[in-house]
Amino acid sequence: GDSVTQMEGPVTLSEEAFLTINCTYTATGYPSLFWYVQYPGEGLQLLLKATKADDKGSNKGFEATYRKETTSFHLEKGSVQVSDSAVYFCALSDRGFGNEKLTFGTGTRLTIIP
Amino acid sequence: KAGVTQTPRYLIKTRGQQVTLSCSPISGHRSVSWYQQTPGQGLQFLFEYFSETQRNKGNFPGRFSGRQFSNSRSEMNVSTLELGDSALYLCASSVTGESTDTQYFGPGTRLTVL
Repeated sequence: GDSVTQMEGPVTLSEEAFLTINCTYTATGYPSLFWYVQYPGEGLQLLLKATKADDKGSNKGFEATYRKETTSFHLEKGSVQVSDSAVYFCALSDRGFGNEKLTFGTGTRLTIIP
Repeated sequence: KAGVTQTPRYLIKTRGQQVTLSCSPISGHRSVSWYQQTPGQGLQFLFEYFSETQRNKGNFPGRFSGRQFSNSRSEMNVSTLELGDSALYLCASSVTGESTDTQYFGPGTRLTVL
């Protein structure tokens, strides 16, 4: 079945540091890939997505590229801020009837220190 | 445009009781999905409804059920509550529910079973 493996947390960085959160996936078809972010006490917010190989999703300084050859969708940001502290989830949605549900990774808690 | 709304935001129940949670999707969205989030199991898919029909179901016991109304609003019901049902229940809506479609999440209902 489909699965998402995400970098174990927690991750603690200083403000303005470079961020990478690794994500790899296993899927039977050609999935769409997503990064969601969850702030304390809230639901999930879409951060970015990519729906086919070599697509790059970007938003708020975050980027991730859909790499079919390495089955990866790593999240990066060049300079993190304190406000980026949150839990980040990598997810996929596979094609094919009945497979469209989101399959999530375990989440990576990110803390940015001023 | 208003986001996904969920009511109530918090619930406290005792074992053996039943509970109904409500979700109002974004206007124009016809697909509604439900997810359970717990510290131990992470985010798990419960079921998805489209045009009042359940199209997809996760691996949960029959105590978990749902329905969707003609206005796309959805409810989920959990009967004979167990301690392990304590979780954040998230509802997500999308236009079509297809894999390339973005699912937008509500703030969740926090259920505590005593």
